[in-house]
Amino acid sequence: GQSLEQPSEVTAVEGAIVQINCTYQTSGFYGLSWYQQHDGGAPTFLSYNALDGLEETGRFSSFLSRSDSYGYLLLQELQMKDSASYFCAVRNRDDKIIFGKGTRLHILP
Amino acid sequence: ETGVTQSPTHLIKTRGQQVTLRCSSQSGHNTVSWYQQALGQGPQFIFQYYREEENGRGNFPPRFSGLQFPNYSSELNVNALELDDSALYLCASTPGGGNTEAFFGQGTRLTVV
Repeated sequence: GQSLEQPSEVTAVEGAIVQINCTYQTSGFYGLSWYQQHDGGAPTFLSYNALDGLEETGRFSSFLSRSDSYGYLLLQELQMKDSASYFCAVRNRDDKIIFGKGTRLHILP
Repeated sequence: ETGVTQSPTHLIKTRGQQVTLRCSSQSGHNTVSWYQQALGQGPQFIFQYYREEENGRGNFPPRFSGLQFPNYSSELNVNALELDDSALYLCASTPGGGNTEAFFGQGTRLTVV
């Protein structure tokens, strides 16, 4: 079977740093992606990790450990506009993108 | 804007009816995937089309079917609608040859009453 586990909700304060974890179990693995989705909107791509290590894109960073089947998304200098749902997604051996259930990020002023 | 467009944006159908949802993929993208997203859940993979052929399917019954056309646009058809089919249906296109980034349309909100 295939499963991706991530916390259902996370709350953080504006200006702070937050980490959203994801563990996965899938039929083969090519890489881990992260997507952001605002209420009423479509998921938008944030990052992709195929190899172990940290990828940084502005305020957002994503980490992957293939041996641990684990990754995380790190959001720094949180802004109110970062309030959204965040999904980890695995590209499996069939080259399909499979999503987790999502983490709703609440940001307090 | 991702260049992926879906129609209609909203739709209300009665249980037992049939529905067709449409998606125009981003220019140059030959692979289209369809997802069902229930409220508060992640997108669930329905199926994927590559160059007009279905090349992968998730855990959805046969009454969910699709097509992809020579211009790579796509349709999702659902027969014998059930109340649980109410969801946001998302279309995502990728350039193929390695789906590292999916470009999503804004989705079709289907309500079955």
